[in-house]
Amino acid sequence: AQTVTQSQPEMSVQEAETVTLSCTYDTSENNYYLFWYKQPPSRQMILVIRQEAYKQQNATENRFSVNFQKAAKSFSLKISDSQLGDTAMYFCAFMGGAGTASKLTFGTGTRLQVTL
Amino acid sequence: GAVVSQHPSWVICKSGTSVKIECRSLDFQATTMFWYRQFPKQSLMLMATSNEGSKATYEQGVEKDKFLINHASLTLSTLTVTSAHPEDSSFYICSSFRASGMGYNEQFFGPGTRLTVL
Repeated sequence: AQTVTQSQPEMSVQEAETVTLSCTYDTSENNYYLFWYKQPPSRQMILVIRQEAYKQQNATENRFSVNFQKAAKSFSLKISDSQLGDTAMYFCAFMGGAGTASKLTFGTGTRLQVTL
Repeated sequence: GAVVSQHPSWVICKSGTSVKIECRSLDFQATTMFWYRQFPKQSLMLMATSNEGSKATYEQGVEKDKFLINHASLTLSTLTVTSAHPEDSSFYICSSFRASGMGYNEQFFGPGTRLTVL
């Protein structure tokens, strides 16, 4: 079974600064997908960024980028130019690439607080 | 992203009653939908996989007879919490799964339903 570990329960960053959220995972699969989701106080899950394991290039979405290290099974999220609206819970998630692979396995989450 | 709706957004019920939560995939037909449960300040825990036209697949430890799932159409899955008790109070989230031929697999989440059992 896959596991996803987020070792930072809480993080704080000042507005306009950069912060990196850590995520490691364990799997025996070679093809899979990794996601970062944001859950603001509204509790709506919002996709921040995704990475296909077969792609070597790190995904980027505006101020959000990942550092995907397949061999190390690491998938960190970097938020640049942090904004107050980035305050939320962030969940790292794993989706396998075959079979019952459409399931998502979530990490325990990191609560990010952006301060003035 | 695709739109998934849930109804109701919140519900309060008495212990012993049953509550039905609807999840609708508004933008695409979803053969697979998922139901999650989230306790305060915790992560999402998968309860079951809802498959259109067939029985749901439940995760270990989830009572099938307590959490009834019906996926009668490609756009609607329902979760019925039967004989609800206070310990069933939680935030329930559904998602619709979409797989593309380009390998762009993704789940789209509903806004969640807060269930409070008195």
